[in-house]
Amino acid sequence: DAGVIQSPRHEVTEMGQEVTLRCKPISGHNSLFWYRQTMMRGLELLIYFNNNVPIDDSGMPEDRFSAKMPNASFSTLKIQPSEPRDSAVYFCASSFYRDGNQPQHFGDGTRLSIL
Amino acid sequence: AQTVTQSQPEMSVQEAETVTLSCTYDTSESNYYLFWYKQPPSRQMILVIRQEAYKQQNATENRFSVNFQKAAKSFSLKISDSQLGDTAMYFCAFVSDDKIIFGKGTRLHILP
Repeated sequence: DAGVIQSPRHEVTEMGQEVTLRCKPISGHNSLFWYRQTMMRGLELLIYFNNNVPIDDSGMPEDRFSAKMPNASFSTLKIQPSEPRDSAVYFCASSFYRDGNQPQHFGDGTRLSIL
Repeated sequence: AQTVTQSQPEMSVQEAETVTLSCTYDTSESNYYLFWYKQPPSRQMILVIRQEAYKQQNATENRFSVNFQKAAKSFSLKISDSQLGDTAMYFCAFVSDDKIIFGKGTRLHILP
């Protein structure tokens, strides 16, 4: 079984540039989550989708961040324009939500460095 | 390779009791962080408590505290005066550089 696939694995770019992170959830999963991970704050939920629809984007830090899920097998997180404080590891996770808790499966993350 | 093991798949305790969730890990690294996350029915992962490996003092956050035994590679979570709202899945996580490794979780039920 293929897990959650994220790309790129690493991204280094200059401030002001547009950054696009990609995620392919596990086939059959209907919920998708984008997290940002820093050592100080741990995992912070940015946004999550259920059945391709954004349910809660209250964690998106500012208008420079946007996320889309055009279909059940693909999602993007875009930062435009990027800033050095956006440097972090970004994780995508997916799960099958039916009722109650279902475990989330995490991708390997994208390490983003904004210079 | 790093591994994180939570040996208790499910636990139940009465409200107001104290409960301890176990977590052990394996690593050859010396600098890392350990986290406990809570996943309530709302599904998002919520940070409960964090511990830097270089700190000997155990972290404490209100009713939550950890027993960090670096030599034994053990990182247990103690919840004092448990409340109904503590019912959730709890995940232990090992973080080093850009790696994050989760345990399989412990489902905790707080009974009225």
